[in-house]
Amino acid sequence: DVKVTQSSRYLVKRTGEKVFLECVQDMDHENMFWYRQDPGLGLRLIYFSYDVKMKEKGDIPEGYSVSREKKERFSLILESASTNQTSMYLCASRLGGNNEQFFGPGTRLTVL
Amino acid sequence: EDKVVQSPLSLVVHEGDTVTLNCSYEVTNFRSLLWYKQEKKAPTFLFMLTSSGIEKKSGRLSSILDKKELFSILNITATQTGDSAVYLCAYRNSGTYKYIFGTGTRLKVLA
Repeated sequence: DVKVTQSSRYLVKRTGEKVFLECVQDMDHENMFWYRQDPGLGLRLIYFSYDVKMKEKGDIPEGYSVSREKKERFSLILESASTNQTSMYLCASRLGGNNEQFFGPGTRLTVL
Repeated sequence: EDKVVQSPLSLVVHEGDTVTLNCSYEVTNFRSLLWYKQEKKAPTFLFMLTSSGIEKKSGRLSSILDKKELFSILNITATQTGDSAVYLCAYRNSGTYKYIFGTGTRLKVLA
């Protein structure tokens, strides 16, 4: 079975802090994704990576950056956290081609 | 702009009922449509429908894709309380890695 793990289930940070969210997949998937999920807005794509060191902006990249130095790991970085970044963050991975995405358990981030 | 619309937004049924969830999409160049079930955690994959696989079935769940009319339905027969969840659909266009998600249908099954 595909396993996607995220570094924290719950995280509380203060405004202005730098926040790192880590995602690791163990199935040698090429593509990895970061979403945020908010009530009434559904899942929105922040960034995705189609290969190591390759990344593309999604629909809401402002305030975020990403890093993919190794194939199995995709990091989301909030350079200076703000209260409007309080959300559920979901990581996903996909083998490539026309295959389905698999999601990690999510990180619920609260920015005070 | 590509988008996905799911209906109804929410639904309450009793155990044993059959439900039909709808997902319509406006796309420029369809490649695949996915259905997910989300309980109080991350979405879990249910089905993927493509041009070569427009009907899928697994137990009490089934889904069809109508590429001409640009919609998909997810059917759940003999519902159980464990089916209570938010059901998400997402599609992907050719030539892109991105999926576009709908906002989901919240299903509650009463005992």
